[in-house]
Amino acid sequence: DIVMTQSPDSLTVSLGERATINCKSSQSVLYSSNNKNYLGWYQQKPGQPPKLLIYWASTRESGVPERFAGSGSGTDFTLTIRSLQAEDVAVYYCQQYLYSPFTFGPGTKVDIE
Amino acid sequence: EVQLLESGGGLVQPGGSLRLSCAASGFTFSNYAMSWVRQAPGKGLEWVSGISGSGGSTYYADSVKGRFTISRDNSKTTLYMQMNSLRAEDTAVYYCARSQGSSGYIELPVDYWGQGTLVTVSS
Repeated sequence: DIVMTQSPDSLTVSLGERATINCKSSQSVLYSSNNKNYLGWYQQKPGQPPKLLIYWASTRESGVPERFAGSGSGTDFTLTIRSLQAEDVAVYYCQQYLYSPFTFGPGTKVDIE
Repeated sequence: EVQLLESGGGLVQPGGSLRLSCAASGFTFSNYAMSWVRQAPGKGLEWVSGISGSGGSTYYADSVKGRFTISRDNSKTTLYMQMNSLRAEDTAVYYCARSQGSSGYIELPVDYWGQGTLVTVSS
């Protein structure tokens, strides 16, 4: 199984500042046939189901603010929140969807300072 | 509007069984792969099982393989999860989730989630 790790476990950022979350997979999730990274990012707020933010490592889901950006390839990925807003307080998860089981990272909790 | 409505959760004793259902609406159900994702209290997300749009391919996490069975009835636009030999560590909110895109393939991100149904395994 592919193991997903995230760092840090949690971070506290001031309003308007940048938040950076890292995700690493134990093997590459880049599929050579279509050159796509099978990596998604989800946001989960308390008491709510997760919400898809980013897929194919860097494609923003419809309606997701431009301050959310995904990058990376192969085994190393990053979610950047460019200018943190109060409504961004949540837990963020990465997930690989290339190989079953489609594993999630352990999550990164983002708070406001 | 896409809607996923889970039901069937509840309290069950260790070793017992439950059947979860997820009623889908607002999209052509048979065109989309579906999954179950669970979240233990205060913990992270765990992908549990998935099924292709046709129902011809199924996938399981090692933690539930041989105990859980995913299925779907495309005529009733409903996803199911039969859970047998339940353990305390199966206690979680179980989310029904739709894979993005209308190819029916599972190798896609989840773009819609239900609100979840709580399964508690305890004596």
